[in-house]
Amino acid sequence: EAGVAQSPRYKIIEKRQSVAFWCNPISGHATLYWYQQILGQGPKLLIQFQNNGVVDDSQLPKDRFSAERLKGVDSTLKIQPAKLEDSAVYLCASSLGVGYLNTEAFFGQGTRLTVV
Amino acid sequence: GNSVTQMEGPVTLSEEAFLTINCTYTATGYPSLFWYVQYPGEGLQLLLKATKADDKGSNKGFEATYRKETTSFHLEKGSVQVSDSAVYFCALTPLNAGNNRKLIWGLGTSLAVNP
Repeated sequence: EAGVAQSPRYKIIEKRQSVAFWCNPISGHATLYWYQQILGQGPKLLIQFQNNGVVDDSQLPKDRFSAERLKGVDSTLKIQPAKLEDSAVYLCASSLGVGYLNTEAFFGQGTRLTVV
Repeated sequence: GNSVTQMEGPVTLSEEAFLTINCTYTATGYPSLFWYVQYPGEGLQLLLKATKADDKGSNKGFEATYRKETTSFHLEKGSVQVSDSAVYFCALTPLNAGNNRKLIWGLGTSLAVNP
């Protein structure tokens, strides 16, 4: 079974530039998550999709971050404009999202963003 | 509210030593409990899970038992290897999560195993 795919693996941009990350979840997984992980910290949920609808985006800085999940499959996360404090690893995860027991999330390898 | 508390690291052990990483939680009802591992430069991987009281999750020699009476899910391994060096995260999903099955994360515990 193919895992969660993310690209790019690494990205270096200057502050005030824009950047986009792409995620392809595991086939059949209804729930998709974007997390931000700053070095030395745990993951912070940015946004959660159930199919193509947003379930939780309470911690997404909406003035600069946006995300979409067209057709309930692939997703993109965009930052515009980037700030130095956005330097982090951006993790995408997916889960079946059906029923109480199917809450196990599978993670991609992440995109390491460095803003200079 | 829901929360997860892990012992602070870093934890440094010699190869073949016994490992315990403590994790306690606060949640209503019976949440699902998870341990994730993050090897250097990689994404998070599910290590083990338990979905009801007294369940024992196990994988790769690691074990954790869901203890409702002490609201704990401590991670243990009898004999660690250098390759176990990683950051370990305890997490939970609340029982009545509905569509919002958000994972609640601990801060992570870094483990370094020396040969």
